[in-house]
Amino acid sequence: DAGVTQSPTHLIKTRGQHVTLRCSPISGHKSVSWYQQVLGQGPQFIFQYYEKEERGRGNFPDRFSARQFPNYSSELNVNALLLGDSALYLCASSQRYERSSAGKNIQYFGAGTRLSVL
Amino acid sequence: AQSVTQPDIHITVSEGASLELRCNYSYGATPYLFWYVQSPGQGLQLLLKYFSGDTLVQGIKGFEAEFKRSQSSFNLRKPSVHWSDAAEYFCAVHTSGGGADGLTFGKGTHLIIQP
Repeated sequence: DAGVTQSPTHLIKTRGQHVTLRCSPISGHKSVSWYQQVLGQGPQFIFQYYEKEERGRGNFPDRFSARQFPNYSSELNVNALLLGDSALYLCASSQRYERSSAGKNIQYFGAGTRLSVL
Repeated sequence: AQSVTQPDIHITVSEGASLELRCNYSYGATPYLFWYVQSPGQGLQLLLKYFSGDTLVQGIKGFEAEFKRSQSSFNLRKPSVHWSDAAEYFCAVHTSGGGADGLTFGKGTHLIIQP
């Protein structure tokens, strides 16, 4: 079975532009989370989506947004790109989401999209 | 707020030698703790997790970790490393705010294996 797939693999944008990153979860997984990994740092949580609704958000500005589609795939959108948005963007999927057991839903990560902002 | 500290940025170990990677966390309640490994060009792969119960947990690829509440630590160990273990290792704790599954990661430890 295919793992979490992300596209594109690499992307180069200029400051002020907008970017859309895509993620397809593992078949049967209904929850998708997005992380930003700046060079030399650990991943930082951006969003979690389940059943097309946002279930959690990290400390990121409103320039970052996401959505989930009926097939459980997801898009991450970033507006008005800044140089500091250059990073590896990771998508993770998990089989389910239950608020009562938040944190116990194992996340499986894709290889990421490398975004460079010039 | 939750935080994770991995004090060693780089560690060099000879092939066949034992390994211990350190992780300290800051969290008020019983944490959910994870170790992930990231190879170049790859996503993060889960090595092991701790939710509750036995404080010594076994993972994949021969790794184990021990949860020590008194020291707020969750150190990763392997008795004998292989060249294929060279990678970036991340310790993470579940971020409970808002009820999401989001994880807070440490900055990682880069493991180098000497022949």
